[in-house]
Amino acid sequence: DAKTTQPPSMDCAEGRAANLPCNHSTISGNEYVYWYRQIHSQGPQYIIHGLKNNETNEMASLIITEDRKSSTLILPHATLRDTAVYYCIVRSFTAMIYNQGGKLIFGQGTELSVKP
Amino acid sequence: EAGVAQSPRYKIIEKRQSVAFWCNPISGHATLYWYQQILGQGPKLLIQFQNNGVVDDSQLPKDRFSAERLKGVDSTLKIQPAKLEDSAVYLCASSPNRGTSGSGTGELFFGEGSRLTVL
Repeated sequence: DAKTTQPPSMDCAEGRAANLPCNHSTISGNEYVYWYRQIHSQGPQYIIHGLKNNETNEMASLIITEDRKSSTLILPHATLRDTAVYYCIVRSFTAMIYNQGGKLIFGQGTELSVKP
Repeated sequence: EAGVAQSPRYKIIEKRQSVAFWCNPISGHATLYWYQQILGQGPKLLIQFQNNGVVDDSQLPKDRFSAERLKGVDSTLKIQPAKLEDSAVYLCASSPNRGTSGSGTGELFFGEGSRLTVL
């Protein structure tokens, strides 16, 4: 599975958009980009995933560059409850379709602090 | 829908003692994972089960760690004897069957974890 690089920490003002970058320059064609977050003292929580198209759900938007070497997670209106560590992970499509569940390999993540 | 249940939430033991953690995944989820998360680091996969078979245990320190999922439902992770460096949060996660259609999000559902302190 490809490795990802994220900034260790970021700050964001409450109500503003939080843009969290991720580099995955060695991503292969069959690997998806996943984002999880981990609020203090809780287990990680799935946010969103994508292959090559931009994706949006009720939690966030995911923008993947055309060459797929980087992506940005966007929280459009950050709240204090969005303070957490955000993990960007690339994961093999093969692992998913062959009913193996897939192995998530976590890096250090980005610690996002949303400030009032 | 009930989430992934783990117990105990907290455990303090002396080094060289043994400890066991229990996980009950979401009903119907075939795949179960145990992760170890040391303070300040991301979770590290220890072992992955598909039903009651082991898919990946390459990162499990087998001289002291063991895990089982005998009936393909709940699972136990044991450490014996514990070392100081085993102090961590042990996270259990599960994911549903997906079949060959590739449907689903590929999402893993995590429990709240069991925090182990080894003194």
